[in-house]
Amino acid sequence: GNSVTQMEGPVTLSEEAFLTINCTYTATGYPSLFWYVQYPGEGLQLLLKATKADDKGSNKGFEATYRKETTSFHLEKGSVQVSDSAVYFCALSGPPYGQNFVFGPGTRLSVLP
Amino acid sequence: GAVVSQHPSRVICKSGTSVKIECRSLDFQATTMFWYRQFPKKSLMLMATSNEGSKATYEQGVEKDKFLINHASLTLSTLTVTSAHPEDSSFYICSAASGYNEQFFGPGTRLTVL
Repeated sequence: GNSVTQMEGPVTLSEEAFLTINCTYTATGYPSLFWYVQYPGEGLQLLLKATKADDKGSNKGFEATYRKETTSFHLEKGSVQVSDSAVYFCALSGPPYGQNFVFGPGTRLSVLP
Repeated sequence: GAVVSQHPSRVICKSGTSVKIECRSLDFQATTMFWYRQFPKKSLMLMATSNEGSKATYEQGVEKDKFLINHASLTLSTLTVTSAHPEDSSFYICSAASGYNEQFFGPGTRLTVL
C-alpha cells in the first residue's frame, strides 16, 4: 500500500536558519503530494501541494518539488521565523486525487529567537 | 479555499456518556467526509470514510458500534462516540471532499473523557 516517510524530529533551528524536512513516499500510480502544517491546538492547514512530477508547490516562503525519480517531496524554507514553529505533515493522496490520504508521522519544528 | 467547521472545538464528558461531534462544509457540497483521530504528538489515523446517504466505511480496527458516523446531507457529517471511556480521549479531525477534489480539513475537536 501507499506510505509516507518523513524525518520525525524534533527539529530545532535558530531564526533565519535554512530549513529542510525530508519526505519520501511509496505509491502505486501517480499520487498528489501535500505538506500540511498544524499549529498547537489547531487542525491541519494545507501549506502547499503538487499534483504531478516536477511540479513545485510554494507558499509563505516554503517550497517543495515533486521528484518522481527519487519519490521525494522535501520541504524547504530559506529563512525560518519563530512563527513557523509547528508540526509539519507530508501526505499523499490518490489516485484518484483527493482520496486515499496517507500521512507521514509529522515533524515538529521549533524555531528559537 | 473551502471551509470546513467542527463543533464543538472542545468537549469534556464523563465516562459512559455519548458525545456527538459535527463536521460541516460551509461553502461547498461534500460528497465524501473523512474522520481522523490524532493521538498526542502522533500523526493522523483515518477512522472512516462516509459518503452522503450511505453507510460509512470503517478502517480496520475501528469499532463501528462505538464510533457512529452519519452523513445525512452534503454539508453535514456527525461522529458520535458512544459510551465514551478515558482511552477515547483524543483529537478528532474531519475533512470533506467534493468528488475527486482535494480534502479540506476542519479545525479539530478535542475530546476529554473523565
